[in-house]
Amino acid sequence: DTAVSQTPKYLVTQMGNDKSIKCEQNLGHDTMYWYKQDSKKFLKIMFSYNNKELIINETVPNRFSPKSPDKAHLNLHINSLELGDSAVYFCASSNNRASWDTQYFGPGTRLTVL
Amino acid sequence: TQLLEQSPQFLSIQEGENLTVYCNSSSVFSSLQWYRQEPGEGPVLLVTVVTGGEVKKLKRLTFQFGDARKDSSLHITAAQPGDTGLYLCAGGRTGSARQLTFGSGTQLTVLP
Repeated sequence: DTAVSQTPKYLVTQMGNDKSIKCEQNLGHDTMYWYKQDSKKFLKIMFSYNNKELIINETVPNRFSPKSPDKAHLNLHINSLELGDSAVYFCASSNNRASWDTQYFGPGTRLTVL
Repeated sequence: TQLLEQSPQFLSIQEGENLTVYCNSSSVFSSLQWYRQEPGEGPVLLVTVVTGGEVKKLKRLTFQFGDARKDSSLHITAAQPGDTGLYLCAGGRTGSARQLTFGSGTQLTVLP
C-alpha cells in the first residue's frame, strides 16, 4: 500500500497554462504539506494544512493555490505557469504533534514548463 | 536566507571509506532530523535527535546533535554503494506551525 501518493509523476506543459497536482495519504495523518525542490535539490516548504485548515503559507506566488477537500487529500493548483515553476513538487504528511514527528513524502511530481 | 548549511555539498568516495556530513546553523532547533532521498523518490527519515549532545546509531550510521542544538553531524563507517543518495538535514521548531527547515543537502556517491 502506498502511504503518500501523488499524481501525475511527470507533468510537461506550456507557459501560461493552468495545472493541478493531486496528493492522497492513507496514514491517517492530520497534517499535509507541499514542498518545492529546485534544480539544486533545495527542499522548501510551500504550504501546510492541518485538518483541512491552512497553517503555513510561505512566500509563494498567489498563482499557487492549495485545496484540501478532506484530511486525506491536499491538491495543488497552479495558474499561469511560468518557466521558474519548473521543479519537483513533493507532498508530505505527518501527525504534527511535535516538531520531531516524521514527515512521510510522496514520490514527487516533476513539473517542466516549456 | 539558508538557515541550515550542509557540507560538503558533493562527496564521492570509494566503498569501505568513512565519511562525515555536517549540518550547521546559527539558529537553535528543538529537533534535528536526517533524511535520505534516492533518485525519483521522496526523502525518507533516517533518524530524529531532540536532546543537545544526543548521539544515535543506526547500523553503520552515527548521528550527533550539537550541545547547543544548532548543528548536527552524520558519520558513515565503511560506506557501501547502497549508501548513495542525497542526505538532507531538517531542523524542527515548536509552536503552532511545527514546520521543518531543510538543509542544502549533501549528494553522496559511493563507488564500488
